[in-house]
Formats: sequence, structure tokens, C-alpha cells
Amino acid sequence: DTGVSQDPRHKITKRGQNVTFRCDPISEHNRLYWYRQTLGQGPEFLTYFQNEAQLEKSRLLSDRFSAERPKGSFSTLEIQRTEQGDSAMYLCASSSQGTLNTEAFFGQGTRLTVV
Amino acid sequence: TQLLEQSPQFLSIQEGENLTVYCNSSSVFSSLQWYRQEPGEGPVLLVTVVTGGEVKKLKRLTFQFGDARKDSSLHITAAQPGDTGLYLCAGDSKADRGSTLGRLYFGRGTQLTVWP
Repeated sequence: DTGVSQDPRHKITKRGQNVTFRCDPISEHNRLYWYRQTLGQGPEFLTYFQNEAQLEKSRLLSDRFSAERPKGSFSTLEIQRTEQGDSAMYLCASSSQGTLNTEAFFGQGTRLTVV
Repeated sequence: TQLLEQSPQFLSIQEGENLTVYCNSSSVFSSLQWYRQEPGEGPVLLVTVVTGGEVKKLKRLTFQFGDARKDSSLHITAAQPGDTGLYLCAGDSKADRGSTLGRLYFGRGTQLTVWP
């Protein structure tokens, strides 16, 4: 296993279109996270899965955003009716369930540009 | 409002100089991680500190966790151009009531540029 992989690496879409991103976590990790990062900012939490259960969703996440992890392995993040403000780097990370701390390993991200 | 404040936001130095980056919060964290990120890539985990007062060394990088587990610092000795990047600190969410364990709070990062 070479780490967390994300697809596509880059996506350019027209405003109003729907987009879907995929994340394949490290195989033995049961936790999967989605973050969003804009220029000059640190990653911002979007949502988090433990196995197939979506345990937490940021209040910042509008109804246009939905994430799934149907079999507890890969995950998809869909954005409906994209807006220019959705342009950002979308990062996926995974970790194993630890008792003391969370060590998250990130993918290379999907760069979304909404024109 | 940022839960973790990093300073400085930008740092531009010559090769061979020493530097320290700070990560501060009013909240207590069960652990704190440091990441390095290059343009167009995801953050790469450098180190995790767990115990208050803990010091970890990674070659020329020294990480310290504050005694109260509210702050951390990263010191780089004899910086090299290869150290250039965005340094991010992230805290584990155990301190946040009602939040499940596992969510990380990130600072805005310190953009380090080391000139040859």
C-alpha cells in the first residue's frame, strides 16, 4: 500500500455543475477524513467516517456537499451545483483508531477550480 | 476564529540560519502534530507529541510540547533550502466537548522560505 490516494488530482468545472471526488485510504485504516484548504489557510475539517459511519459533519458544510463511504473502504465527496467559492484543494486523510492521539496521513489532494 | 494560532505567518531566511515557529492555543489538546506541505501536495506528517513537556528531535528539527499541552514549537537548526515549505500544526480534538475523537484542528501555517 502506497498511502492515501485521491482522484482526480485536478478538476475544472463550470459553475452549477456537479463534481465527485474519490479517496482510497490506507488499507488498514478505519478512519477517513475530508478537509478543504484554500490559499493561505490551513486545512479546514469537513467530515469524518469511522468505517462506514459518518460520525461528524462540519457546520460549515452546506447541503450541496455529501460524502459517502459505503463499504468502509474508499470514500466519495460530491458537490452539487458548484459555486466559485467552492474552488479549493480537497484533502482526504486516513488514520487508525488510536486511544491517545490521531495521526492522520493525507493524500495529495484534488484541486477544484470552478469557473 | 482559529483554535490554533501559528506565528510567524511568513519567514524568509538564509541557508544556515536557525529559526523557531510557534503554535499556540487557549485549549488543551491530547496530542499535537506538525506537518510540512509543499505547493500542490497534501500535508506530510513530521511528528506527534503527546506528553506535556515532551521534546522530540528529527535530524535538525526539534519539536516541543508545552507543559500544559496548549502550545508547541518547532525549531530548525542550520536551515537548508530543502526545508522550504508550509509548516502546519494540528491539535487532536479531545479537548472539544461533544466532538468525537479524531478530528484535527489546524493552524494557518508558517510559510518558510530558505534562500541558498
